Amino acid sequence: AQKITQTQPGMFVQEKEAVTLDCTYDTSDQSYGLFWYKQPSSGEMIFLIYQGSYDEQNATEGRYSLNFQKARKSANLVISASQLGDSAMYFCAMREDLVDSGAGSYQLTFGKGTKLSVIP
Amino acid sequence: DTGVSQNPRHKITKRGQNVTFRCDPISEHNRLYWYRQTLGQGPEFLTYFQNEAQLEKSRLLSDRFSAERPKGSFSTLEIQRTEQGDSAMYLCASSFRQTPSYNEQFFGPGTRLTVL
Repeated sequence: AQKITQTQPGMFVQEKEAVTLDCTYDTSDQSYGLFWYKQPSSGEMIFLIYQGSYDEQNATEGRYSLNFQKARKSANLVISASQLGDSAMYFCAMREDLVDSGAGSYQLTFGKGTKLSVIP
Repeated sequence: DTGVSQNPRHKITKRGQNVTFRCDPISEHNRLYWYRQTLGQGPEFLTYFQNEAQLEKSRLLSDRFSAERPKGSFSTLEIQRTEQGDSAMYLCASSFRQTPSYNEQFFGPGTRLTVL
């Protein structure tokens, strides 16, 4: 089974509107972290936001917020007031702490990404 | 600029040749990761260093791949006898464990490898 599932290959949003990018995850660990990265056409991965599995409040960073629903194993990214510069690939990723196995390398497992296009 | 740097940015080689990539992490970061990203996919984990010790390797890392991080600073990733299937973007990331649960990874710009 895929550990990270992003079901939207592509999304369009009007400039200044909000958009939600979906992400569901699969893990049996109790301790894990969820990340969103942005990858513009230049290729560099840019960290956007982080949510820990024990965090009770949804993470927010400027125009980015993470809608964390632990029971449903979803970690959707919400971008408010979209800008043209937001057009890029967006990747959801999970870090499993593997506390029980002691294997905590903190590697990230990524989804396949969602291509967001902001329309003027 | 004090971010993660990678060289070269692009590499074109012929099948069967050896190639080596370099990654310079953020200076105080003790953890270094290599990922591979093929077209239309998210990055996939290859290997991980904590200081100079290579602590984990993915099954994706065949015998033709070797990575080093001498002295716990920069790292090199070598691919021997390249195959067309090795064509991908090779990403390096680094992090510093500040708290047990955060560990944000900072990525470099990547090296794009094309094997003809």
